[in-house]
Order: sequence, then C-alpha cells, then structure tokens
Amino acid sequence: QVQLVESGGDVVQPGTSLRLSCAASGFTFSNYAMHWVRQAPGKGLEWVAFISYDGKITYVADSVKGRFTVSRDNSKYTVYVQMNSLRSEDTAVYYCARDISYHYSTDYWGQGTLVTVSS
Amino acid sequence: QSALTQPASVSGSPGQSITISCTGTRSDVGAYKYVSWYQQVPGKAPKVMIYDVNNRPSGVSDRFSGSKSGNTASLTISGLQAEDEADYYCCSYTSSSTWVFGGGTKLTVL
Repeated sequence: QVQLVESGGDVVQPGTSLRLSCAASGFTFSNYAMHWVRQAPGKGLEWVAFISYDGKITYVADSVKGRFTVSRDNSKYTVYVQMNSLRSEDTAVYYCARDISYHYSTDYWGQGTLVTVSS
Repeated sequence: QSALTQPASVSGSPGQSITISCTGTRSDVGAYKYVSWYQQVPGKAPKVMIYDVNNRPSGVSDRFSGSKSGNTASLTISGLQAEDEADYYCCSYTSSSTWVFGGGTKLTVL
C-alpha cells in the first residue's frame, strides 16, 4: 500500500534552516511528481511546492520563493524541502502528497510533520 | 496568488443536500478543469474527494459531486450523513504553474 512518511519537523529559531524529508513506499516513486502542502495551526491549507517525477521541474509558492527549495532522490524514494531563513509565519504542519499524473491534483498524503519557528 | 474564496461554514440536516462554492479568477478556476476538493477531519491529513472538477477517486461515495461555471466551482454533498462533518477545501491549478487552495469551509451536520 502507498505510504508517505514525513520527518524532520522541529522547534527552531527565526532565521535558521531546516530540511524536511518524505519517505515513500508502496509505489514506483520515480514515476510520480510530488507536492508539499502546509497548514498553520488552526488555519487552512497552503500549497508550498511541486517537483516533477525526475526532479527537473520545480515550482514553489511566492510566500517561500527564494527561501525554500524542493528536491528528490529517486534511489532513496525520498522527497525533501530545504527551508532557509525561517520566519514565524512558516510555523505549520508540513504534508507531502503524491501527484495524480496528468490531473494536477493529489491522491495520497502523509501524516505531516510539525515545524515551529519561535525565539 | 490569493486564496480561492469559500464560505466559512455551511450546515445541513441528515439526508439533505448542501453545496459549497469556491470562487477564483480567470487565472485559476476559470482557466482550467483542474479543480479538486479535499475533506479534512480535525487532526488528520486531507483526503481528495473530487479532482478534475467532477471526477471521484475510487472509494469516494457518489453522494459527492463537483461542478464548475466560469470562475466558480462547487461541491455538492447529497444525502448528508453525520460522517460528512469535516472541513472542506477546494484547490485549483493556476496559470503561474502553481496551485492555490480555498480558505476552507466547515461543514456541520445538525
């Protein structure tokens, strides 16, 4: 069965960096694009980033452009998001999700990992 | 990219039908057929209920249906059940090659 497991969430100070990982299993990872979506405490969903199946195409939201980078290692069945210059407004649960090929949507989601940015 | 506009809350009694609207612009909802709807129960990850405006993934009840007219998409839940109580989010692909979510709608089953 398809599984996505995020990790790396932590409590960090503003201005610091953090890398989140999402380990995939149960499907051929290299065939699928992936997304990162976040949800601030008590707030709605916010799309963060997309990476194509081969890692050659990436898109990020304007709110994180220049600070967040998405990457993947298909040999390790893992997608990453590198978060630099973290701000208090980046505090959220971060989910990774599998893209539904050719449909610009997602199907499977992980359980999320919490990032808290606070001094 | 501004969030899509959804009503903050809707409610209905068991057996009734409700509709949640999702209003965007000509650069997102109005431009593509790529509108999805997600159901989220508190403390859980979102679950896709509709994709491509009106397609249901395998396993999703046919009580859920989607539609779109112009810049506004809609999710209709018929035969409302207590288990449908959750937060619902619309999401659209955009002309900037990004995705944008709505602010979310809390559905209460009375």
